[in-house]
Amino acid sequence: GIQVEQSPPDLILQEGANSTLRCNFSDSVNNLQWFHQNPWGQLINLFYIPSGTKQNGRLSATTVATERYSLLYISSSQTTDSGVYFCAVNRGGSNYKLTFGKGTLLTVNP
Amino acid sequence: DGGITQSPKYLFRKEGQNVTLSCEQNLNHDAMYWYRQDPGQGLRLIYYSQIVNDFQKGDIAEGYSVSREKKESFPLTVTSAQKNPTAFYLCASSTGIVNTEAFFGQGTRLTVV
Repeated sequence: GIQVEQSPPDLILQEGANSTLRCNFSDSVNNLQWFHQNPWGQLINLFYIPSGTKQNGRLSATTVATERYSLLYISSSQTTDSGVYFCAVNRGGSNYKLTFGKGTLLTVNP
Repeated sequence: DGGITQSPKYLFRKEGQNVTLSCEQNLNHDAMYWYRQDPGQGLRLIYYSQIVNDFQKGDIAEGYSVSREKKESFPLTVTSAQKNPTAFYLCASSTGIVNTEAFFGQGTRLTVV
């Protein structure tokens, strides 16, 4: 099956710093999503981005499908950004299931 | 409000007992999924259903069972055959057609005591 690798596994920042999270995947994909898992465990949808660039406030994401990677940018980080960020992909066609990476644990200190 | 509702939020089970986790969605999505998350790990797919009365095994289906009798409901039963059932369980749904963006419920934390 498709492999998804996220880096770095852990990241510690001071409030106000910027960061870039990376997601590499081993095959072509029809769907790529970024999620933030909050302290209560819920997965919050950040971006649905199989290709191209999107921005939402301080967050933006870019997926280069031909090179099989996606980047999540967090600018001016806040303590509330802390948590685990997951990348998940889907190959499309008749199979809709998502395959997840192991996540990046982000800690933003005040 | 449209969304995915999982219940209960916390569940305790004695060894040897079966337990059923509920997942309901009112998003009119065709596809539904169950994932398991262990501490410090990503999510692994247990079962998924792309249409009513049909479902497929995911990567870790052993010891679990599901049903899909209604479009909006996809309950997961953790059976006594599941050797290590203590985990966080997440249910998701997607349209399953062109736009396959998935949305998740709030999860059920199952502890075997």
